[in-house]
Amino acid sequence: DTEVTQTPKHLVMGMTNKKSLKCEQHMGHRAMYWYKQKAKKPPELMFVYSYEKLSINESVPSRFSPECPNSSLLNLHLHALQPEDSALYLCASSQEGQLPDEQYFGPGTRLTVT
Amino acid sequence: AQKVTQAQTEISVVEKEDVTLDCVYETRDTTYYLFWYKQPPSGELVFLIRRNSFDEQNEISGRYSWNFQKSTSSFNFTITASQVVDSAVYFCALSDQRNAGNMLTFGGGTRLMVKP
Repeated sequence: DTEVTQTPKHLVMGMTNKKSLKCEQHMGHRAMYWYKQKAKKPPELMFVYSYEKLSINESVPSRFSPECPNSSLLNLHLHALQPEDSALYLCASSQEGQLPDEQYFGPGTRLTVT
Repeated sequence: AQKVTQAQTEISVVEKEDVTLDCVYETRDTTYYLFWYKQPPSGELVFLIRRNSFDEQNEISGRYSWNFQKSTSSFNFTITASQVVDSAVYFCALSDQRNAGNMLTFGGGTRLMVKP
């Protein structure tokens, strides 16, 4: 099973809402990632978890809060977002995160902030 | 600092034509890894290939082939006999020792449109 799943597929939220994005993989990968992708741009790395510990935070605003409850799950908690945070949010996983292994991506959550 | 340039923002071809997507990279390291990913309209990025800096052999996988030339810092991707299903955005990416091993520097992407 080489699949990364993400829920929901689409999310519309107001600036005062709190919501969460979920990501799951069952490939036994120990590194998981959150990326943000704006239209017609490449993905931008937000966070990396390696062995369930946060290893990289690319200076992401605190209104984005990642969580890795176990090695298969990755959440992104959203609070007080701005309209410019509207984007495709991609989750990815890779084997261990110490070497540049290929990353496997989910289909993304398309987020709209109103 | 590392950088990946995909100079072609959009390419349009007719089915069965061959097409080459260019990728030029910059890095100061001698050990680095190059990747190609495909992003179809559905959104997920699909891994196509990883190549390390010590392996300059070209690779062929079905209709796909990759030409790695360290002398020109290029890692170009050719699709032979293109098909409509090849329509997607293609990203070239670089990971080197300057980053943590799991950080990718992406190029801007090339949108390929294959018309029937």
